[in-house]
Amino acid sequence: ETGVTQSPTHLIKTRGQQVTLRCSSQSGHNTVSWYQQALGQGPQFIFQYYREEENGRGNFPPRFSGLQFPNYSSELNVNALELDDSALYLCASSLGTPVGETQYFGPGTRLLVL
Amino acid sequence: EDQVTQSPEALRLQEGESSSLNCSYTVSGLRGLFWYRQDPGKGPEFLFTLYSAGEEKEKERLKATLTKKESFLHITAPKPEDSATYLCAVHNNDMRFGAGTRLTVKP
Repeated sequence: ETGVTQSPTHLIKTRGQQVTLRCSSQSGHNTVSWYQQALGQGPQFIFQYYREEENGRGNFPPRFSGLQFPNYSSELNVNALELDDSALYLCASSLGTPVGETQYFGPGTRLLVL
Repeated sequence: EDQVTQSPEALRLQEGESSSLNCSYTVSGLRGLFWYRQDPGKGPEFLFTLYSAGEEKEKERLKATLTKKESFLHITAPKPEDSATYLCAVHNNDMRFGAGTRLTVKP
């Protein structure tokens, strides 16, 4: 059984650029959630996808968007990057519907916006 | 608004010195409380899920308990490898994490 994987591990972008982060869910899981974790803080919920549909969204602007594919892998896209977008982006997968099922996290993608 | 507060922010223990971490929450309808361990630069590692007041779960030196307003993570006779940030999260309509307790265990 493979765990949650994310790519890339690190990324440097400049303000105004766009970025795509990728996540492969744990085998058998159909739900993927994305989180942003700033240094010294807990993860903040961005959104969740269940069977390719958005199934909940946190307090993030529309320039944060996502996608889930038929194999349940997922992408997080961020447009018009701002300096404050610098953070660790975490993907978590779970089995079943909404949040509440135990979520298993990937190692994260560290994004630095200059 | 749902809130999760963890205390203390940081805790330094000597090896073998037992202690407890606190997670206080206000949520309109708790659907689950989760404890995770996070090592620097890594994703959170799942520890426990608690669903109802009075529930307790144990794993090695860790024991999690839940009341209607808070959860405790008890660490018995900790070892240096228990050093990490411990996060709790509550689920209502979404997952809300606390800021974590940074635990350091000195040999």
